[in-house]
Amino acid sequence: DQQVKQNSPSLSVQEGRISILNCDYTNSMFDYFLWYKKYPAEGPTFLISISSIKDKNEDGRFTVFLNKSAKHLSLHIVPSQPGDSAVYFCAASGTGANNLFFGTGTRLTVIP
Amino acid sequence: ETGVTQTPRHLVMGMTNKKSLKCEQHLGHNAMYWYKQSAKKPLELMFVYSLEERVENNSVPSRFSPECPNSSHLFLHLHTLQPEDSALYLCASSQEWGTGSHYGYTFGSGTRLTVV
Repeated sequence: DQQVKQNSPSLSVQEGRISILNCDYTNSMFDYFLWYKKYPAEGPTFLISISSIKDKNEDGRFTVFLNKSAKHLSLHIVPSQPGDSAVYFCAASGTGANNLFFGTGTRLTVIP
Repeated sequence: ETGVTQTPRHLVMGMTNKKSLKCEQHLGHNAMYWYKQSAKKPLELMFVYSLEERVENNSVPSRFSPECPNSSHLFLHLHTLQPEDSALYLCASSQEWGTGSHYGYTFGSGTRLTVV
């Protein structure tokens, strides 16, 4: 049973607009969440993370929001750029757990 | 060369073949991982090595056999695979086993495996 879910396999956004990628999780023990970005023919690269003690973390154009009660997090990219076109993976880990649980990914296409 | 390097990038093998995937990291990390990415599925953890010792085997069939001769190298030996084993196999490393879940893993580019 998937503990981390990304229900939108793809998303298209116009350049300059906001991209919002969503992620849901089922395990209430998860307390750390990460986003990875993957270009074709490359491995995933770490993008941004958030601890459960926060509800927002910002890094330049990227902001991650965490809603613990809804077990939901989202990644906002604003403004979106064509170079942001990639597959984005959500991942989560829990206290005392050494491993990451990944979602299936969302393919973002930013249209120039 | 820096980062995590995987070879080969692509591999086609028959069900009776024996082949090996190689991963090398030059980051001074102590933990290395094998992940499998199948179409429309999440990344699945297969094996974890910490300081060259296998610390996790995530119920992986014995036709996949990992080897970690030193902290910089990780292999995945393949034999008598099935077509459903076709997938992208990703190697990753982190400073220590456990820190990757907070500070992120460094992934290689993967080996695209096709079993015919």
